[in-house]
Amino acid sequence: RKEVEQDPGPFNVPEGATVAFNCTYSNSASQSFFWYRQDCRKEPKLLMSVYSSGNEDGRFTAQLNRASQYISLLIRDSKLSDSATYLCVVNKYGGSQGNLIFGKGTKLSVKP
Amino acid sequence: NAGVTQTPKFQVLKTGQSMTLQCAQDMNHNSMYWYRQDPGMGLRLIYYSASEGTTDKGEVPNGYNVSRLNKREFSLRLESAAPSQTSVYFCASGGQNNQPQHFGDGTRLSIL
Repeated sequence: RKEVEQDPGPFNVPEGATVAFNCTYSNSASQSFFWYRQDCRKEPKLLMSVYSSGNEDGRFTAQLNRASQYISLLIRDSKLSDSATYLCVVNKYGGSQGNLIFGKGTKLSVKP
Repeated sequence: NAGVTQTPKFQVLKTGQSMTLQCAQDMNHNSMYWYRQDPGMGLRLIYYSASEGTTDKGEVPNGYNVSRLNKREFSLRLESAAPSQTSVYFCASGGQNNQPQHFGDGTRLSIL
C-alpha cells in the first residue's frame, strides 16, 4: 500500500457543484493530517488541517477515519477559483517528528 | 510577513556546473526541508534538518548536499549539475508537533 494514495483525477465539475476527494494512508501511527492546495507552477499552500472530529472552514469540510485510515475533503458550491490540485498530507512518523508525506494530488477543474 | 524565502526563483545551468539554492525562514521553526517536484511524481524529500546543527537524507538525496547555517537558513547545493536534476525545488519549514509545513515559492532549475 502506498504511504498516501489519492485519485489523480482530473475532476471536471460545473460551478456550484459539490465535489469530494478521498485519500488513504498506510501508517497507522500518523497523527497529523492536512489538505494542501497547489495552483499551477506555485508552491503548496495549507488549505486546512484535519481533526479526528471532522472540521469545516466555509465551503470546505474535512473528515478523518482513523480505523479505515481514510481522509476526505468536501467542497460545496464550487467556484472557478477552486480549480487547483489538492494534496492529501500525512505526517510520516507520528509524534513530534515533522516529516510529512504528500500524496501526488487530485486535480480539480471548475468550469463556468 | 516573509515566511519562507527562496533564492533564486529561476536558474539555468550547464551540465557539470555547481550552484547553491538559498532558503531562509522567519517563523522560528526548528525544522526545515528541501523537496523537488517533477511532473507526475509529486513532492519528494531531498534532505531535511530537524534542528539547527543536524541534517538527514530524505527520499532522493543523491547529487545534493545541504547546510543548516543557523536556525533561519538551510541551503541546498548541487556540486555537479545533471539534466536529471531539472526540477522545481521547494524549501519548507515547520511540521513539528503536528503543525503544518510552510513553503517558499520555489526555484525553477533547468540543467542543459
